[in-house]
Amino acid sequence: LAKTTQPISMDSYEGQEVNITCSHNNIATNDYITWYQQFPSQGPRFIIQGYKTKVTNEVASLFIPADRKSSTLSLPRVSLSDTAVYYCLVGDLTGGATNKLIFGTGTLLAVQP
Amino acid sequence: DSGVTQTPKHLITATGQRVTLRCSPRSGDLSVYWYQQSLDQGLQFLIQYYNGEERAKGNILERFSAQQFPDLHSELNLSSLELGDSALYFCASSPRIGATNEKLFFGSGTQLSVL
Repeated sequence: LAKTTQPISMDSYEGQEVNITCSHNNIATNDYITWYQQFPSQGPRFIIQGYKTKVTNEVASLFIPADRKSSTLSLPRVSLSDTAVYYCLVGDLTGGATNKLIFGTGTLLAVQP
Repeated sequence: DSGVTQTPKHLITATGQRVTLRCSPRSGDLSVYWYQQSLDQGLQFLIQYYNGEERAKGNILERFSAQQFPDLHSELNLSSLELGDSALYFCASSPRIGATNEKLFFGSGTQLSVL
């Protein structure tokens, strides 16, 4: 069971870089790590996904160490509009081949002026 | 716009009633997922369908049921509603069977209020 653990909340200021770490000690060999962003009363939105090392796109970077037991989402120069809940998602392969994409509790990022 | 359409956006009903929530996945997506999100809980996985067949089940109550139709749209039926069923219900879709490297595309949700 690839359960994930994230900080409940984080505070930051506009213009700062924010790093949110997710622990997934029991990640399976075939599991990818995916991060989603959710604004209030909206559905989660895909941010970034990776398997190992580093992945970067236009909005974030994802760092995954060699043992893959954790991952860090990095948001460069956050703005007020980045205030949201961020979820780390790792496939839950319990039940044999059945795949249940289980979200953890998420991290509430509050960006202040 | 994720391409996933959920209707209705809001639903107000009374305890003991039955409601149906509808989801149209993105064009071409074969998997549909249902999630429940209440104020004091995170996103709770309910059930997944792939190409018309039930694929995975989460903590879905026996009072709840779902199906995916041949045109791939899905419906979530909630019966004998209780106050605690009040929540935001999300539908998501993905292209294939739901491997961990697939991206989920979420709809804007249905806000259910049980009075």
